[in-house]
Amino acid sequence: EIVMTQSPATLSVSPGERATLSCRASQSVSSNLAWYQQKPGQAPRLLIYGASTRATGIPARFSGSGSGTEFTLTISSLQSEDFAVYYCQQYNNWPPETFGQGTKLEIK
Amino acid sequence: EVQLVESGGGLVQPGGSLRLSCAASGFTFSSYWMSWVRQAPGKGLEWVANINQDGSEKYYVDSVKGRFTISRDNAKNSLYLQMNSLRAEDTAVYYCARDRRVYCSGGSCYSIHDYWGQGTLVTVSS
Repeated sequence: EIVMTQSPATLSVSPGERATLSCRASQSVSSNLAWYQQKPGQAPRLLIYGASTRATGIPARFSGSGSGTEFTLTISSLQSEDFAVYYCQQYNNWPPETFGQGTKLEIK
Repeated sequence: EVQLVESGGGLVQPGGSLRLSCAASGFTFSSYWMSWVRQAPGKGLEWVANINQDGSEKYYVDSVKGRFTISRDNAKNSLYLQMNSLRAEDTAVYYCARDRRVYCSGGSCYSIHDYWGQGTLVTVSS
């Protein structure tokens, strides 16, 4: 089973600033990496897949990069609605597909 | 509009059973793999199981093998999760998710969860 490790656990950023979230896989997952956003009391929402492809309707301020074992989600200019928990997920080696433990993005 | 609506959650005693349902609409249900993903209170996401379009392929996370069964009824546009021998550690919100195939290569296919239901809470406690 591939273990996904996200850092930091909590990130405090001011609105309008850039946020950079990291995700590391215990072995290569190629570019088969997705990012999801989850707000309190809501289901996760797909943001990025293929490490860098934005899902339908996702604003351009969200971007993903990386391949192999190291991945990054960048939010270029934080809006109030972006404060949430973000999860990375590998779908390269399944079953099982696996998620990171999440990064909580909070307002500074 | 794609909609996934889960139901069937509730409070059950350890060792008990529960059947979750997910009603799908707004897309051709029979054309998609489907998954169940769960989230324990205050914790992260855990994939539980998935099923192919006609129900002939099913996969499970090790912790539920032999206890949970995923199934579907394409005529009713519905996905199910039969949960037996429930344990306290099965307590979670259970989400139904549509799997969208990104690509296939070398005999393997790679899918993401592009739509999710709102979830149904299962609590296992005496």
